[in-house]
Amino acid sequence: GENVEQHPSTLSVQEGDSAVIKCTYSDSASNYFPWYKQELGKGPQLIIDIRSNVGEKKDQRIAVTLNKTAKHFSLHITETQPEDSAVYFCAANGEHTGNQFYFGTGTSLTVIP
Amino acid sequence: DSGVTQTPKHLITATGQRVTLRCSPRSGDLSVYWYQQSLDQGLQFLIQYYNGEERAKGNILERFSAQQFPDLHSELNLSSLELGDSALYFCASSYGRNREKLFFGSGTQLSVL
Repeated sequence: GENVEQHPSTLSVQEGDSAVIKCTYSDSASNYFPWYKQELGKGPQLIIDIRSNVGEKKDQRIAVTLNKTAKHFSLHITETQPEDSAVYFCAANGEHTGNQFYFGTGTSLTVIP
Repeated sequence: DSGVTQTPKHLITATGQRVTLRCSPRSGDLSVYWYQQSLDQGLQFLIQYYNGEERAKGNILERFSAQQFPDLHSELNLSSLELGDSALYFCASSYGRNREKLFFGSGTQLSVL
């Protein structure tokens, strides 16, 4: 099945700085890569996603890049704000295993005011 | 608010007992997914139903079962509970059956004592 690895597990940045979270996947047939943000006491919320026919996607301060050859994708948050503090999960769909989503282990991001 | 409703929010029970977790998907969504989130295992996919039928199965134990009813709400039944079953259980929904954007509920925190 698909194996998704996520780094780092924790990340602290100063307010206004950028944050980058990286994920790798193993199934070359995976073609959809969402990112979820989970705030304390809440369920994961989709913040951005990318399909394999696109190399980069932006939505205001958030961007995701995908390198299919290297099988890795990254989340970039610019001009970080305290409300960006949360746990972020990457995921990939498992083409060969019933189209399940496989999640990374999460990155706890803390933005220091 | 994702539109996905999970009840109850918290559940405390004893080993050997049986519990039922309930999920109402977003209006119009046909797929329901169940995930287990624990500190050491991250988000683990359990099972997916699409329009009343089982669509995909993940790491679901034989002691666990689920179903989706004609009104599309779903229930996850956990029996012969063990201490290790203590976790946050999330339901998510999506419109289609494959690789769609998932919308998560706020979860049910299960504590087995």
